[in-house]
Amino acid sequence: QQQVKQSPQSLIVQKGGISIINCAYENTAFDYFPWYQQFPGKGPALLIAIRPDVSEKKEGRFTISFNKSAKQFSLHIMDSQPGDSATYFCAASRMDSSYKLIFGSGTRLLVRP
Amino acid sequence: EPEVTQTPSHQVTQMGQEVILRCVPISNHLYFYWYRQILGQKVEFLVSFYNNEISEKSEIFDDQFSVERPDGSNFTLKIRSTKLEDSAMYFCASDLQETQYFGPGTRLLVL
Repeated sequence: QQQVKQSPQSLIVQKGGISIINCAYENTAFDYFPWYQQFPGKGPALLIAIRPDVSEKKEGRFTISFNKSAKQFSLHIMDSQPGDSATYFCAASRMDSSYKLIFGSGTRLLVRP
Repeated sequence: EPEVTQTPSHQVTQMGQEVILRCVPISNHLYFYWYRQILGQKVEFLVSFYNNEISEKSEIFDDQFSVERPDGSNFTLKIRSTKLEDSAMYFCASDLQETQYFGPGTRLLVL
């Protein structure tokens, strides 16, 4: 019940295209859903996050869509750029569980020029 | 911009040896975490620390692991007797409320 399932494992997108990464969770007690971006040899960096009381959040080219009833959330990267090539992790946490992050398995995104 | 720092960036040790990984969290943050990432796998929670004590730990965080905040700024992870399977990237993170900021990690290799 603590798992967060992420798909796809890898994704190749042409420059200018839309990248979509999906995550699903089981535990309805989760109340915070961040997305992290990780470049090789670096630590994860927060990209964007959402709470379950909203269905969508947009920051620049990055949008989170959240479906509470389906227990799913997704990251959309509009106008994908080669510099977006990285590994993306969805995560979930609970305020009553020290905010520890439960990460998805990651998606390796490659944006071709 | 404040950031979480970690030392060393790389550590090679022999099986059975003790290692201490060090972190300096962002100064006004209250919650501190250690995570690990085995090569090519997802990031896994190890332990959270708040108000000078462990608030939660995972099943990975057994008696061989300990954490300490010795001087109000540093936050350390000690592995008493390393095993081959401890080889991983170890990340420290800190936050004020819910947004966790990660350090660059320490790559630990146990031979």
